[in-house]
Amino acid sequence: EAGVAQSPRYKIIEKRQSVAFWCNPISGHATLYWYQQILGQGPKLLIQFQNNGVVDDSQLPKDRFSAERLKGVDSTLKIQPAKLEDSAVYLCASTYGRGRGMHSPLHFGNGTRLTVT
Amino acid sequence: SQQGEEDPQALSIQEGENATMNCSYKTSINNLQWYRQNSGRGLVHLILIRSNEREKHSGRLRVTLDTSKKSSSLLITASRAADTASYFCVLNSGGYQKVTFGTGTKLQVIP
Repeated sequence: EAGVAQSPRYKIIEKRQSVAFWCNPISGHATLYWYQQILGQGPKLLIQFQNNGVVDDSQLPKDRFSAERLKGVDSTLKIQPAKLEDSAVYLCASTYGRGRGMHSPLHFGNGTRLTVT
Repeated sequence: SQQGEEDPQALSIQEGENATMNCSYKTSINNLQWYRQNSGRGLVHLILIRSNEREKHSGRLRVTLDTSKKSSSLLITASRAADTASYFCVLNSGGYQKVTFGTGTKLQVIP
């Protein structure tokens, strides 16, 4: 099966500019996650979708970050305006499971490395 | 906190030795997972253990889970240089499968 696809792989922008990341999960995976991983740290969950609905965005900086998942498939994550501290790798992951009784691993894309100068 | 905490933060061993990493957490979980991340590469799922399981094996990996102590351990036997990576304890909790990562253990296996 095809894996989780993310683009672009790298992005360099200046602070106060905007940027968007795209993710295509594995076909049939109901749940999609966006993580932010700052160098030397573990991934931090930004937002979680189940189908096209948001189930957790408690750690998403909503004043500058937004995300959507159209038709329960592809997803985009946007930052506007970017700050220096947004420099990180943005990871998308998907999983088949959608409820408490489902136990399935996450499949990760290769991530987008964002540098804000 | 729904985040696991790994111990040690860094570990350096000789090839052929065993490596043990521990994870402690505070919340109730659906399952606990371990992931590996090689430098500059993506995250790879290693093993998943459900909250009603106590031990699981996969190749050279052995995971234990003690829900009464809210702790888990990952044992890698007969380590290889290719095992050099960061290892993350990952908690799956809640009705919507919220998945949170710990801080990670950086393992170095010296050839």
